Amino acid sequence: KAGVTQTPRYLIKTRGQQVTLSCSPISGHRSVSWYQQTPGQGLQFLFEYFSETQRNKGNFPGRFSGRQFSNSRSEMNVSTLELGDSALYLCASSLKKGVGNEKLFFGSGTQLSVL
Amino acid sequence: AQKITQTQPGMFVQEKEAVTLDCTYDTSDQSYGLFWYKQPSSGEMIFLIYQGSYDEQNATEGRYSLNFQKARKSANLVISASQLGDSAMYFCAMRGLYNQGGKLIFGQGTELSVKP
Repeated sequence: KAGVTQTPRYLIKTRGQQVTLSCSPISGHRSVSWYQQTPGQGLQFLFEYFSETQRNKGNFPGRFSGRQFSNSRSEMNVSTLELGDSALYLCASSLKKGVGNEKLFFGSGTQLSVL
Repeated sequence: AQKITQTQPGMFVQEKEAVTLDCTYDTSDQSYGLFWYKQPSSGEMIFLIYQGSYDEQNATEGRYSLNFQKARKSANLVISASQLGDSAMYFCAMRGLYNQGGKLIFGQGTELSVKP
């Protein structure tokens, strides 16, 4: 069974641009979560989607948005990029809603560099 | 609010020896779950082990075991018989069982280096 696939693996953008990251969950998984990882702030929750609905959102500005499609694939978008948005963006999927002991399975991430 | 604290930024262990990675947590939830993930240099977060707050026995998964002390709010990861491939970042995380819509709270991580 294929794991969580994130594309692209690396991305370089300049300030003010926008970017879209893609995540394909494990087949059959209906929940997708996104996390931002930086050396200073560590791993921070961005949002979770289940059945195309956003269930929860972290403490990030409105420039960060996401969506989930009917096939459970998800995209996240960051508009008006800032230098501080440089980070590893990790996507995780789970079979059911991410509560309880539901394990998250992560992809290898997209490394975004904003110049 | 929930918080995870990992006080060891980096650790070294000799190959084939056991090592304990510390994790303490703070939460007002009565029911919660604790997770450990491994992140090699490739970036992917790999699930290692889970412990529920009401589980009476400590969780074990192969060479990984979790030393859960609820009163002390600690959930230390024990890796037995370390291997070179265990060199990676290790993250402790938690989640309330009935709320917070899937959000995992992570600690800052511990970088483990296994020496041959």
